[in-house]
Amino acid sequence: AQSVTQLGSHVSVSEGALVLLRCNYSSSVPPYLFWYVQYPNQGLQLLLKYTTGATLVKGINGFEAEFKKSETSFHLTKPSAHMSDAAEYFCAVSEGGGSNYKLTFGKGTLLTVNP
Amino acid sequence: DTGVSQDPRHKITKRGQNVTFRCDPISEHNRLYWYRQTLGQGPEFLTYFQNEAQLEKSRLLSDRFSAERPKGSFSTLEIQRTEQGDSAMYLCASSLGVKTEAFFGQGTRLTVV
Repeated sequence: AQSVTQLGSHVSVSEGALVLLRCNYSSSVPPYLFWYVQYPNQGLQLLLKYTTGATLVKGINGFEAEFKKSETSFHLTKPSAHMSDAAEYFCAVSEGGGSNYKLTFGKGTLLTVNP
Repeated sequence: DTGVSQDPRHKITKRGQNVTFRCDPISEHNRLYWYRQTLGQGPEFLTYFQNEAQLEKSRLLSDRFSAERPKGSFSTLEIQRTEQGDSAMYLCASSLGVKTEAFFGQGTRLTVV
């Protein structure tokens, strides 16, 4: 069974500051890892994903994440926060290394950006 | 290509009534997933289809829930005898084959009063 733990249900940063959202996972097989963003009353939008290969993954809107197998982590970062980044962020892992695309999500981290 | 479409976006129903939601996946996507998201939680897997075959159902999907995907195109999720605990956002996603990303619809928010 797989699981995802997102540390911090709420993160608050100032506009222009570094964004760091933490995600740790548990998986019995090589994981596929994802970060999704959700705006109020909207569906999920994929920010980035790690499958195989390069462990530093770049996504949309200036976000990136690094897969660290030894730490079982996949933290999301952005060098400079923008007001439009305020949303809820979900880390997810897929079962079977992606062969079965069923996703297991963390509980989410709400990001607020202060002017 | 307009993405994954879900209908309705919002549904308010009285306890004990039946409700049905529809999901239209991205055309040619052969995999379709249903997830449920309650307030303050991440989405939880309910079931998925490959073409018209329902290949897996979560334990969360009680006997009151049924999903279909006739002809491998759109899908419906029906909840019979709704309960207040069914209040949630129901998300549909689709993907093309294995090892490809899933695209999510905007969800149907169900409120049971």
